[in-house]
Amino acid sequence: GQSLEQPSEVTAVEGAIVQINCTYQTSGFYGLSWYQQHDGGAPTFLSYNALDGLEETGRFSSFLSRSDSYGYLLLQELQMKDSASYFCASREAGNNRKLIWGLGTSLAVNP
Amino acid sequence: DTAVSQTPKYLVTQMGNDKSIKCEQNLGHDTMYWYKQDSKKFLKIMFSYNNKELIINETVPNRFSPKSPDKAHLNLHINSLELGDSAVYFCASSQGTGDTEAFFGQGTRLTVV
Repeated sequence: GQSLEQPSEVTAVEGAIVQINCTYQTSGFYGLSWYQQHDGGAPTFLSYNALDGLEETGRFSSFLSRSDSYGYLLLQELQMKDSASYFCASREAGNNRKLIWGLGTSLAVNP
Repeated sequence: DTAVSQTPKYLVTQMGNDKSIKCEQNLGHDTMYWYKQDSKKFLKIMFSYNNKELIINETVPNRFSPKSPDKAHLNLHINSLELGDSAVYFCASSQGTGDTEAFFGQGTRLTVV
């Protein structure tokens, strides 16, 4: 089967850098996506990596290493508003290729 | 304009009732989904439609029945509600079945009492 593992909780302070890791086990691989969800809100798409390397979007970057079945989301210059849950997700192999989700990492940014 | 909108946002109902949640997307996407998110925030896909055709039907009780009258709408009807159905239900859409980016509605918080 397909599974993605990520830490359940991470705590950091404003202005710091935090890395949220995601390791995956998949029967086929179609890239790794990252979503952010604030309490009471909807998941919103952050980034997608299909190939190895770093993708940068402002303060957020996402990295993928297919040989290690591993990726991470890097958040820089943390702000209080970055406190949220972060999910990694990957498409399942097969015709339907549904998104398989990690259990989410709850990030708390403290002053 | 809201891209993916679902109604109602909150739904409190008694066990045994039947209820519906409606979802509409104005993004022109071909694929729509229903997800259930429990209190531990685990996101579980329930159904997916592509151009009104059911393509993903996960193991959910048959009390849950999706309906897609056209590719911009995907409604969820739930019969004989149970306490364990209490959760947040999200509608989402994507350009196609293999698309990496999904757009989510605001969620419907269902509480069964």
